[in-house]
Amino acid sequence: ETGVTQSPTHLIKTRGQQVTLRCSSQSGHNTVSWYQQALGQGPQFIFQYYREEENGRGNFPPRFSGLQFPNYSSELNVNALELDDSALYLCASSSSTGAGEKLFFGSGTQLFVL
Amino acid sequence: GQQLNQSPQSMFIQEGEDVSMNCTSSSIFNTWLWYKQDPGEGPVLLIALYKAGELTSNGRLTAQFGITRKDSFLNISASIPSDVGIYFCAGHPNSGGSNYKLTFGKGTLLTVNP
Repeated sequence: ETGVTQSPTHLIKTRGQQVTLRCSSQSGHNTVSWYQQALGQGPQFIFQYYREEENGRGNFPPRFSGLQFPNYSSELNVNALELDDSALYLCASSSSTGAGEKLFFGSGTQLFVL
Repeated sequence: GQQLNQSPQSMFIQEGEDVSMNCTSSSIFNTWLWYKQDPGEGPVLLIALYKAGELTSNGRLTAQFGITRKDSFLNISASIPSDVGIYFCAGHPNSGGSNYKLTFGKGTLLTVNP
């Protein structure tokens, strides 16, 4: 059974650029959630994808967008990068969207915006 | 939105000591989960709690879901050096339509002196 994998592990961008982060969900999981973790903080929910559609969204602007593919893998896209977007971006997969479902996290992508 | 207040922010203990940390909320949560995060890694699920009053153990770890559904605690007995890391409480709030979103506390940094 493979776990959640994310790529790349690290990324450096400049303000105004666009970035795409990728996530492969754990085997057997059909739901992917994305979280942003700023330094010294807990993860903050960005959005969740189920059956290739956005299933819920946190308090993030529209320049944060995502996709989910038929194999349940997912992408997080951020346009017009700002300095405050520097953070660890975590992907988590689960076997469904229910409140009781356990989330399993990848190791994250560390994004630096200069 | 819902916030989780996690305490203490940090702990410095000697190997062999017991540790206790807790999490409180101003609103009701349907589930409580405890995660541990090591540097450069994503959070790893330690214990999941689904019912008010539930007490669950995982090895040297014990966690409880508070009766009021607004709090939870995690105890670690006989700490060892590999317990070092950041411990996060998290939960699914009892708000209509938000059961997909996991809310995290700010974490407790645990340091164990050998």
